Amino acid sequence: GENVEQHPSTLSVQEGDSAVIKCTYSDSASNYFPWYKQELGKRPQLIIDIRSNVGEKKDQRIAVTLNKTAKHFSLHITETQPEDSAVYFCAAPNRRGYQKVTFGIGTKLQVIP
Amino acid sequence: NAGVTQTPKFRVLKTGQSMTLLCAQDMNHEYMYWYRQDPGMGLRLIHYSVGEGTTAKGEVPDGYNVSRLKKQNFLLGLESAAPSQTSVYFCASSPIAPGILSGGQPQHFGDGTRLSIL
Repeated sequence: GENVEQHPSTLSVQEGDSAVIKCTYSDSASNYFPWYKQELGKRPQLIIDIRSNVGEKKDQRIAVTLNKTAKHFSLHITETQPEDSAVYFCAAPNRRGYQKVTFGIGTKLQVIP
Repeated sequence: NAGVTQTPKFRVLKTGQSMTLLCAQDMNHEYMYWYRQDPGMGLRLIHYSVGEGTTAKGEVPDGYNVSRLKKQNFLLGLESAAPSQTSVYFCASSPIAPGILSGGQPQHFGDGTRLSIL
């Protein structure tokens, strides 16, 4: 199946600084890359996604970049705020049938006020 | 629109007991998934379904069974619970295959079931 590696596993930043989380995938045919945010005790929720026909997508303070050649995609959060503190998961389609995705292990982001 | 609803929210079982977790979605989604979430291991797929009457194994299916008799419901069963099955279980649904070549769609998650097995 698909192999998705996510780095770092934990990340602490000062409020107002930027945070970057990177994921690499193994299947060059993968074409859809979502990012989910999970607050403590809550459900994972989609925050942004990107399809393989674009290299970057932005939504206010959040952006995702995709490098198909290197097979990696990154989440960028600018001007971080305490409410950005959460666990972030990346995902990529599974090569067999594309009926499911494989998730990264998650990155725990702490924004220090 | 309730989205994805999981019941129960919490449960404590003794080793060897059985139980069923229910997932219901009101979005008419074809695809449904059961994941377990353990510290440091992300979300691991247990079983999934691509439509009413279908089920398939995921990454960690041993010790679990599933059924999708109605499109809106996806049941996860533990026949003989073991302490290793202590976890938080999430159900998710998607309108189409996440990685379909025409362009995937995100999964919608329920609030989770926290299950402890003593």
